[in-house]
Amino acid sequence: GENVEQHPSTLSVQEGDSAVIKCTYSDSASNYFPWYKQELGKGPQLIIDIRSNVGEKKDQRIAVTLNKTAKHFSLHITETQPEDSAVYFCAASRPDKLIFGTGTRLQVFP
Amino acid sequence: EPEVTQTPSHQVTQMGQEVILRCVPISNHLYFYWYRQILGQKVEFLVSFYNNEISEKSEIFDDQFSVERPDGSNFTLKIRSTKLEDSAMYFCASSRGGDQPQHFGDGTRLSIL
Repeated sequence: GENVEQHPSTLSVQEGDSAVIKCTYSDSASNYFPWYKQELGKGPQLIIDIRSNVGEKKDQRIAVTLNKTAKHFSLHITETQPEDSAVYFCAASRPDKLIFGTGTRLQVFP
Repeated sequence: EPEVTQTPSHQVTQMGQEVILRCVPISNHLYFYWYRQILGQKVEFLVSFYNNEISEKSEIFDDQFSVERPDGSNFTLKIRSTKLEDSAMYFCASSRGGDQPQHFGDGTRLSIL
């Protein structure tokens, strides 16, 4: 069935370091891959997304890469800051629904 | 920036009672969704809604669940006879198209006693 695996489940980094979160999806028909940041008591907030016809996308300190052949996609955060601390979810989309990964709790220590 | 709004933020209900969760999607969006998140777990898809009908639903969305767009602005999720295991955060989302970015509200925490 449709499944998205996400690693690691927790990630602790020092401020200024980089953080990488990886996801693998199972459904070959997935063509859109968003990343969401969820802060305590809030809903998921879209931070970046990528479509299957693109290999890489960057927005300031955040980048996402997609390897469609291997069904892998990753989130890269450079120069991390304490306010980046949150739970991050990857997702794979078919039309009309998102399948979420299990989440990564990122802690950035000053 | 336009946002999805959900009410109430917290709903406490006795088991077996009916509950209605309300959402106001972003005004020019055409697709509407409900997801749920059990405490500490991932976000799970429940249902998508377009053109006044359900376009897709998950196994979780059984006969106890229903959705409705009663007017031009609201989108509701009804649970007819709540169970203890329905306790979760329920998120509404909306998008311009079926393959367009989905924007989420801050959720309703549903607690079943």
